[in-house]
Amino acid sequence: DAGITQSPRHKVTETGTPVTLRCHQTENHRYMYWYRQDPGHGLRLIHYSYGVKDTDKGEVSDGYSVSRSKTEDFLLTLESATSSQTSVYFCATASEASYEQYFGPGTRLTVT
Amino acid sequence: DQQVKQNSPSLSVQEGRISILNCDYTNSMFDYFLWYKKYPAEGPTFLISISSIKDKNEDGRFTVFLNKSAKHLSLHIVPSQPGDSAVYFCAAVQGAQKLVFGQGTRLTINP
Repeated sequence: DAGITQSPRHKVTETGTPVTLRCHQTENHRYMYWYRQDPGHGLRLIHYSYGVKDTDKGEVSDGYSVSRSKTEDFLLTLESATSSQTSVYFCATASEASYEQYFGPGTRLTVT
Repeated sequence: DQQVKQNSPSLSVQEGRISILNCDYTNSMFDYFLWYKKYPAEGPTFLISISSIKDKNEDGRFTVFLNKSAKHLSLHIVPSQPGDSAVYFCAAVQGAQKLVFGQGTRLTINP
């Protein structure tokens, strides 16, 4: 258990509003990731970070931005939420020593 | 373009029998694979992995087989138990510390 928390755990928001999801880890892992899980698609990488202030795009990055100002926190922002961003969002971390990623409990986001 | 594919969305197995979950990949550069298990309302948890230098890795009731020529891997669970009912994802390592996941297979173990 890598000590990963996500907040909020559930959120309902309206189309066009900004939303920020937070991931916090206590394991001092270098790598952090944001995924979304949708039926029929599995887990798709949105953005990832390989260090403080070092981030890069994943497979489905359009409409999302991220920031990592501290090792322990990785924020995912939807600048203007759309209904297609209704999903379950998972944060994950990994150390340099292993390919294994540790996942947080997820945030269920509904955009109405 | 789905580089990692799990073509069976669901699988139902009787308790005590063997469960076999399959995964195919298209990128021959993939050289490390992982299986994750996910219960409802929880994050995925790591189950077992395999490097491309091996063709089998075993951990208790779980065994992963890798067939590089066929670009195919499978997860065997024997004997299957009710607590094994979950969604299983296979994943391949892509580049530096990134994973590409399959769509998942929902395994149901029937008493």
